Amino acid sequence: AQKITQTQPGMFVQEKEAVTLDCTYDTSDQSYGLFWYKQPSSGEMIFLIYQGSYDEQNATEGRYSLNFQKARKSANLVISASQLGDSAMYFCAMRANFGNEKLTFGTGTRLTIIP
Amino acid sequence: GAVVSQHPSWVICKSGTSVKIECRSLDFQATTMFWYRQFPKQSLMLMATSNEGSKATYEQGVEKDKFLINHASLTLSTLTVTSAHPEDSSFYICSAGLAGGPRETQYFGPGTRLLVL
Repeated sequence: AQKITQTQPGMFVQEKEAVTLDCTYDTSDQSYGLFWYKQPSSGEMIFLIYQGSYDEQNATEGRYSLNFQKARKSANLVISASQLGDSAMYFCAMRANFGNEKLTFGTGTRLTIIP
Repeated sequence: GAVVSQHPSWVICKSGTSVKIECRSLDFQATTMFWYRQFPKQSLMLMATSNEGSKATYEQGVEKDKFLINHASLTLSTLTVTSAHPEDSSFYICSAGLAGGPRETQYFGPGTRLLVL
């Protein structure tokens, strides 16, 4: 069974500061993928970043980077230079293996950017 | 690329009626689609996995006779909430996997808000 833990229900960050959203996971699979999604108040789930378990380098996508520490089973999302539009719910998720397998989601972190 | 649409985005219905929600992959083919349910301020819970040309696989605790899923083609899956009741009011969201893509990820539709009166 897979489990995702997000221990920060809410965070408040000053605009233009960097923010780290925590995510730890538990799985017995050797091959898996880790994802971060953003959900604004409109409800849509926006894909942000992906990290494969065998990727040697941390994933980066623009202002988003994933701090992947495999031994610690953590996959924290780092947002640099936060913007007001970053205010949203953020979900960490994982999927076993590659291909069309189901996603397991964490409980989410509500990020609020303060002007 | 990798756009998933859902229709309708909002639906209000009377208790006892059935509601059909469509999920379409617009620019890719998806042999597998997923249906999730999300209550306010909660995470997404997988309801079922929809497979093109075969029966859906339901998660434990999800009534397959109440939530009918049909995956008629490689670009369309439908979720029908039969005899809807107020407790079925929720946000329903589908996703489709872009298998073999560079990110091997799932892309989500915009969701459907269902309110049963």
